[in-house]
Amino acid sequence: GENVEQHPSTLSVQEGDSAVIKCTYSDSASNYFPWYKQELGKGPQLIIDIRSNVGEKKDQRIAVTLNKTAKHFSLHITETQPEDSAVYFCAAGGGGSYIPTFGRGTSLIVHP
Amino acid sequence: DTAVSQTPKYLVTQMGNDKSIKCEQNLGHDTMYWYKQDSKKFLKIMFSYNNKELIINETVPNRFSPKSPDKAHLNLHINSLELGDSAVYFCASSQDGLMNTEAFFGQGTRLTVV
Repeated sequence: GENVEQHPSTLSVQEGDSAVIKCTYSDSASNYFPWYKQELGKGPQLIIDIRSNVGEKKDQRIAVTLNKTAKHFSLHITETQPEDSAVYFCAAGGGGSYIPTFGRGTSLIVHP
Repeated sequence: DTAVSQTPKYLVTQMGNDKSIKCEQNLGHDTMYWYKQDSKKFLKIMFSYNNKELIINETVPNRFSPKSPDKAHLNLHINSLELGDSAVYFCASSQDGLMNTEAFFGQGTRLTVV
């Protein structure tokens, strides 16, 4: 089955800095890579996703890059703001498995 | 209009009790899930139902029994609650069960067993 590794587990940055979270996956058949943000007391919510036919996708301050050869993908947040503080999860799927596979999460703390 | 709603939001109960958590989605999705999130924030899949049929049961004790009366509802019943069952439980739904579309999560139910 799919195995997703996510690093770092905790990331602390100053407001205005960039933040990068990295994930690797094991199943080369996976073709859908979403990122979820979980704010305190809420459920995870999709912030951006990428499919295997695309190498990069941007949405304002957020971008995701995918390297299919190396089987890794990353979330980039620029000009971080305190409201970006949350737990971020990567996931991999679409390879034919019914089992959703999430990374273990990254707790991002943005200091004002 | 809440897409995935689960009740209750908080549940405090004694060991040995039986409790249920309800979940409903109004997105017309075919697949619904139950996840358990532990204190380290790890999201562990428990069950997945596609069109009211069980398609995933991930090494969950028999004390946990999901019930899907229709495509829009997936309830979770837990018998003989134990201290280790304390966690946040999330219901989610997606258009299909192959993890190639967005999953929508409920707000979570924080279960505390004392």
